[in-house]
This record gives sequence, C-alpha cells and structure tokens, in this order.
Amino acid sequence: QLQLQESGSRLVKPSQTLSLTCAVSGDSISSGGYSWSWIRQPPAKGLEWIGYISQTGTAYYNPSLKSRLTMSVDRSKNLLSLKLSSVTAADTAVYYCARGWVAPYVLDKWGQGTLVTVSS
Amino acid sequence: DIQLTQSPSSLSASVGDRVTITCRASQSITTYLNWYQQKPGTAPKLLIYVASTLQSGVPSRFSGRASGADFTLTITSLQPEDFATYFCQQSSSPPYTFGQGTKVEIK
Repeated sequence: QLQLQESGSRLVKPSQTLSLTCAVSGDSISSGGYSWSWIRQPPAKGLEWIGYISQTGTAYYNPSLKSRLTMSVDRSKNLLSLKLSSVTAADTAVYYCARGWVAPYVLDKWGQGTLVTVSS
Repeated sequence: DIQLTQSPSSLSASVGDRVTITCRASQSITTYLNWYQQKPGTAPKLLIYVASTLQSGVPSRFSGRASGADFTLTITSLQPEDFATYFCQQSSSPPYTFGQGTKVEIK
C-alpha cells in the first residue's frame, strides 16, 4: 500500500529556506505514470496548491510561489523534495505531499502533512 | 487563476439530513472538478472526481453533479463520520486551485 511521509525543518527563521522531503513507500515513484504534488494549509485556513512534478520530470509551480520554489524528485531514493526560499510568517502551514493522476489531475494519496512554522 | 467559490462556508445539520454544498467556478472548467473531505488533524481524502465519479471505497450516500459553472456535492442521510470540512478543487488548468472549504457541523 502506497504511503507518503513528509519530513524536514519544523521551525524556520524568516528570510531563510524551508526544506522538506517526502518519502514514498509501497511502490516506485517511477511506476504508473503518476505526478507528484505539494499542497499547503495555513493554520485554520484552506488548501493552497503549490505545484507538481510530472513523470517526465517537468515541474509546474504556482505562479504565486514560483520565484522562491524548487521541487525535485530523486527516483533512486523514492524521494520528493521541496525548497521554498525567503520565507515569511505567511509561509507557516501544514505542508502535504500527494500522488496525482495525470488525466484527470486528481490527488488520490496524501501524506499526513508536516507543520512548518516560520518564526524568529 | 481559476477561482472557486464554495457555499455555504459552514452549515449545521443533524444525522440523517440531506446536505448539499455548492462550488462555483470563475470560468469554464467543463467537468474537471474534484471533491475532498478533511477531518481535523488529518490529510484531505478524495471523494469524487470529474464532478460525479465516486472514488473507490467512498459510500454511495455521496454524489456529485455539474451544471455549467456550478457543481454540487450532496450527502444523503448524513452520518456521524461525515462531519468534516469539504473542499472542491478544479483540475482544468494549473494552478489547480481549491475552494475555501465548507465545514459541516453537528446541529
């Protein structure tokens, strides 16, 4: 059974870089033609779609975050990674990784999420 | 970006009630609309995709419908485990935006 587990820095200082990884287990990240996405949710607020990486490695970032965002996939380790630079308090959120179908784009498997707090 | 507006933002209902949540898109997304359920402290769970297709394992009391730019999620005979927040998401074009959510509370 596919499982996704986020991990990384839980407390980040303003202006620094937030770094997260998502370990995928139960299946190869390269199988099935899926895409891999990140979504975040500020405390007590709604969901914000961050971006995705396709099976071919093409990344699409939310334009609102694009200038600060880097997403990658390490297929040898079955790992996704997210880096968000120049963070502010507005980046405080629970960050989720998720598996997505390609057509239609549907997020069918999610990690449990990890809370990242931006504070000095 | 495509904006999704959900209504109501919250509602109170009793076990056994029929509940309908609406999601309106700011532009045409044909039927590329998904619904997710989120309970406190947990990740969202996929309920319905392409407006009306039930995800495997989701109870049949959940249904979805599209009518132009308006989409509805209906829960017939609300069960205790259905009290949660529901989000719509458009999958027509990136960024794949979400609605602001509808919280279903116990009356």
